[in-house]
Amino acid sequence: AQTVTQSQPEMSVQEAETVTLSCTYDTSESDYYLFWYKQPPSRQMILVIRQEAYKQQNATENRFSVNFQKAAKSFSLKISDSQLGDAAMYFCAYRTAYSGAGSYQLTFGKGTKLSVIP
Amino acid sequence: EPEVTQTPSHQVTQMGQEVILRCVPISNHLYFYWYRQILGQKVEFLVSFYNNEISEKSEIFDDQFSVERPDGSNFTLKIRSTKLEDSAMYFCASSYTGRSNQHFGDGTRLSIL
Repeated sequence: AQTVTQSQPEMSVQEAETVTLSCTYDTSESDYYLFWYKQPPSRQMILVIRQEAYKQQNATENRFSVNFQKAAKSFSLKISDSQLGDAAMYFCAYRTAYSGAGSYQLTFGKGTKLSVIP
Repeated sequence: EPEVTQTPSHQVTQMGQEVILRCVPISNHLYFYWYRQILGQKVEFLVSFYNNEISEKSEIFDDQFSVERPDGSNFTLKIRSTKLEDSAMYFCASSYTGRSNQHFGDGTRLSIL
């Protein structure tokens, strides 16, 4: 079974600064997807960024980028130029690429609560 | 942009009662999921549903739980006889294909008294 570990329960960052959230995972699969989801206080989980394991290039979405280290099973999220609206719970998640059962459920980490200081 | 809609946003129920949580997935999506998040803990997978049947379920999804897609638009989670430990936030998610991104609803906070 796959596991996802987020070792930082809480982080804080000054507005306009850069912060990195850590995530490690364990899997025996060679092909899979990794995600970062953001959950603001309004509760809905929003996809921030997605990485396909077969791609060596790190995914980037505007101010959000990842550092994907497949051999180390590490998948960190970097937020540049942090804004007040970035304050939220951030979840790292894993999903298989192939499912014989037709089920592609996400396996989540425990989350990191990010505070942005004005 | 289309959204996944969940109702109610908060449900308070006496222990032992049945509860039904409702979800309206995005209209052209074919894969449906329920997850739950106990306060302070990680989001956990409950069940996935495709082609009008359960494709996979977790250990949490015991005989007290059931899912249905009664009318082609709603996707419901029923808990037959609620326990205190069922208190949690329940999230519905849907995706167009199995491998496309899942879209989440706002969640239903279930409180069992």
